[in-house]
Amino acid sequence: GQNIDQPTEMTATEGAIVQINCTYQTSGFNGLFWYQQHAGEAPTFLSYNVLDGLEEKGRFSSFLSRSKGYSYLLLKELQMKDSASYLCAVRGSQGNLIFGKGTKLSVKP
Amino acid sequence: GAGVSQTPSNKVTEKGKYVELRCDPISGHTALYWYRQSLGQGPEFLIYFQGTGAADDSGLPNDRFFAVRPEGSVSTLKIQRTERGDSAVYLCASSLGGGGAIYEQYFGPGTRLTVT
Repeated sequence: GQNIDQPTEMTATEGAIVQINCTYQTSGFNGLFWYQQHAGEAPTFLSYNVLDGLEEKGRFSSFLSRSKGYSYLLLKELQMKDSASYLCAVRGSQGNLIFGKGTKLSVKP
Repeated sequence: GAGVSQTPSNKVTEKGKYVELRCDPISGHTALYWYRQSLGQGPEFLIYFQGTGAADDSGLPNDRFFAVRPEGSVSTLKIQRTERGDSAVYLCASSLGGGGAIYEQYFGPGTRLTVT
């Protein structure tokens, strides 16, 4: 079966660092993606990992451990505009994405 | 256009009616995906097109759902005999390619379908 788990909600303070965890158990694996989705809008791509390790992209970093079925998204220097849902997704062999339910992040002043 | 477009943005229909949802992908993108998203959930995969053919339709929930992409660009998702449980946001995404190669998927704004 396919199972992707991430926390439902998180709260953090402006300027701080937050880590959003994702664990997965899927029948196939062809990469792990992170998307950001503001309320009422389409998901937008943040990062992806295919190999183990850390990928850094400005204020956002993503980590993957394939042996543990684990990834996290790290957001640094949080801004109010980072308040959104963050979706973890595993890529299937055909390119389709299998999404988790998303983590709603609220950034407080 | 610059991005993926979807029409209509909102659709309200009565239970039992037929609806068509349209997706216009980014020009040159050969791969096209349909997802649907219910409130508080992540997008759920429905069907994937590579060119004109449906390469993977394993996510379609039942035979009331059908999608086409006759010329390899615009795609239409068709839902027959709509049910209240079909109410969701239907998202379309496109990418340069699919299959084993990894490409970023660009999502459209979605069509919010409400079945009354």
